[in-house]
Amino acid sequence: GAGVSQSPRYKVAKRGQDVALRCDPISGHVSLFWYQQALGQGPEFLTYFQNEAQLDKSGLPSDRFFAERPEGSVSTLKIQRTQQEDSAVYLCASSRGSMNTEAFFGQGTRLTVV
Amino acid sequence: GESVGLHLPTLSVQEGDNSIINCAYSNSASDYFIWYKQESGKGPQFIIDIRSNMDKRQGQRVTVLLNKTVKHLSLQIAATQPGDSAVYFCAENTGNQFYFGTGTSLTVIP
Repeated sequence: GAGVSQSPRYKVAKRGQDVALRCDPISGHVSLFWYQQALGQGPEFLTYFQNEAQLDKSGLPSDRFFAERPEGSVSTLKIQRTQQEDSAVYLCASSRGSMNTEAFFGQGTRLTVV
Repeated sequence: GESVGLHLPTLSVQEGDNSIINCAYSNSASDYFIWYKQESGKGPQFIIDIRSNMDKRQGQRVTVLLNKTVKHLSLQIAATQPGDSAVYFCAENTGNQFYFGTGTSLTVIP
């Protein structure tokens, strides 16, 4: 596609429910990032993939968060047993190169945990 | 830890005037920087980038200046238009991560 695509755009989950957020990066992009953005704040790093390898997951806030990119293209961010503090916009970005190259963001998924 | 901060959280400018948005970073090892524009309900949009071996880079109506001595980055927007109203973030790249500041909200007054 022309840009990074994320789905769903909006997700409402009951507390304790598991959710899965999808990211389709720009075709051919090697790097893929997940970020979490709280209202009125800048995006905060969650995890980074280079092709299918998850090279950095230092930003994942707890073991309830899990990300994968099994074929080096589409990525899924899964949150288990959602809590209210997980409510945020989850952003995905991709870049052509492995480092220090332009990173392009998707529209994000707004997760609301009730 | 690293921090990326912005000097002014809000900025209002008259349409047609030039805008300057500032950013401070703390990690001297950061070697790549991006400015993003984010409109309400949308993801960050790439504006312009600069590498640490450069002091200045120009795009269409935008210029980014990098002062490594004082670890300061600025974004200049020429002839600001109503469509420029948004939150602007600078992001620094160190290792595998981009670090973002809180953002500056730019409002263009018609």
